[in-house]
Amino acid sequence: NAGVTQTPKFRVLKTGQSMTLLCAQDMNHEYMYWYRQDPGMGLRLIHYSVGEGTTAKGEVPDGYNVSRLKKQNFLLGLESAAPSQTSVYFCASSEFGLGTGELRANVLTFGAGSRLTVL
Amino acid sequence: AQTVTQSQPEMSVQEAETVTLSCTYDTSESDYYLFWYKQPPSRQMILVIRQEAYKQQNATENRFSVNFQKAAKSFSLKISDSQLGDAAMYFCAYKRPYDKVIFGPGTSLSVIP
Repeated sequence: NAGVTQTPKFRVLKTGQSMTLLCAQDMNHEYMYWYRQDPGMGLRLIHYSVGEGTTAKGEVPDGYNVSRLKKQNFLLGLESAAPSQTSVYFCASSEFGLGTGELRANVLTFGAGSRLTVL
Repeated sequence: AQTVTQSQPEMSVQEAETVTLSCTYDTSESDYYLFWYKQPPSRQMILVIRQEAYKQQNATENRFSVNFQKAAKSFSLKISDSQLGDAAMYFCAYKRPYDKVIFGPGTSLSVIP
């Protein structure tokens, strides 16, 4: 039972390079999210998806793109990496919330994080 | 817009003692969920406890309990009998149904042997 898997776990990039972070979940969750974590700032939402084929912007979407072509996968892309994108990235997923009784459906399951350094 | 505030960037507690972490949030909604997540040095985010806003009874999970004050928009976490393994970052989070989760900035908890 893998839960949420992120690849790669570590990556070093040079300014201007591109890369894609992959998030895969095997729980049939509808919602998926990408967060970045920086010291003193908690987790900030980059983009999220409420279902296959849909994406939406979060708090800090600039410089990132996402795709959700398959329900189980949520990709985060950096087209031209910048030092300001040095961070730890977390993917998370949750079931579709059906209402006030479905608390369990709103719990996030996180991946282990991906540390990205942009030089 | 909803916001979540954790006014204590760092806290410390003696092993076996009790500590309370504060969290306040801003919302005009009546139906929502609140969570505490723990992030140990391993970096893996783990759910500690959760609360539905419509429930007046405070949630408890073993040594962890919350004090949910809906009118005051306060959701504090109490850790009893603190253990070395409780040392971690703790994040308070808010979520409306069908909407995204909003996290507070976190509180770093140290446990002193």
